[in-house]
Amino acid sequence: GAVVSQHPSWVICKSGTSVKIECRSLDFQATTMFWYRQFPKQSLMLMATSNEGSKATYEQGVEKDKFLINHASLTLSTLTVTSAHPEDSSFYICSARAGTDYGYTFGSGTRLTVV
Amino acid sequence: SQQGEEDPQALSIQEGENATMNCSYKTSINNLQWYRQNSGRGLVHLILIRSNEREKHSGRLRVTLDTSKKSSSLLITASRAADTASYFCATPGGGNKLTFGTGTQLKVEL
Repeated sequence: GAVVSQHPSWVICKSGTSVKIECRSLDFQATTMFWYRQFPKQSLMLMATSNEGSKATYEQGVEKDKFLINHASLTLSTLTVTSAHPEDSSFYICSARAGTDYGYTFGSGTRLTVV
Repeated sequence: SQQGEEDPQALSIQEGENATMNCSYKTSINNLQWYRQNSGRGLVHLILIRSNEREKHSGRLRVTLDTSKKSSSLLITASRAADTASYFCATPGGGNKLTFGTGTQLKVEL
């Protein structure tokens, strides 16, 4: 089945530094990937849609200069949290869809803690 | 985007019992999907039901869809402790973006 690999699974960083999270589709090509953010005991909130070879589309209220998305190939999208602050601490999850008749495949998530 | 509502928010049952979760959504849909999330992990796709389907089964899972009421239900029969997780419904919208419901936290006790 379709597999999405997300790394790292957890990261701790200092305030002011940047963190990069990778999302790879292992056995299918994904022209579009999605990045979500999830706070404890809450649902997933879509942050942005990552489009291969073009700019990402950000949801309302998401700072594009803070959450940089790059989708340089059909199998890799990256999310960089720039100048991280403690309030950016959250669980970040990526997803992609292998085909129109399938559900979406999710990465295992990245727990970001900014100290 | 507006989230759908799920109820109950939390459900605690004994192993062997059935668990029912309900989802309501706001817009017209082509399909509705159910996902499971174990604590601290990513989501796993469980089942997809199309708008022209009323009921679908997969193993111990039974999903219903009522497009007139904009609602869906997920039934897990003969629950097991390993079914303990959060369950989310999700609907695709413009740009194939998924909108998730608020989720139901299921706890199955031995």
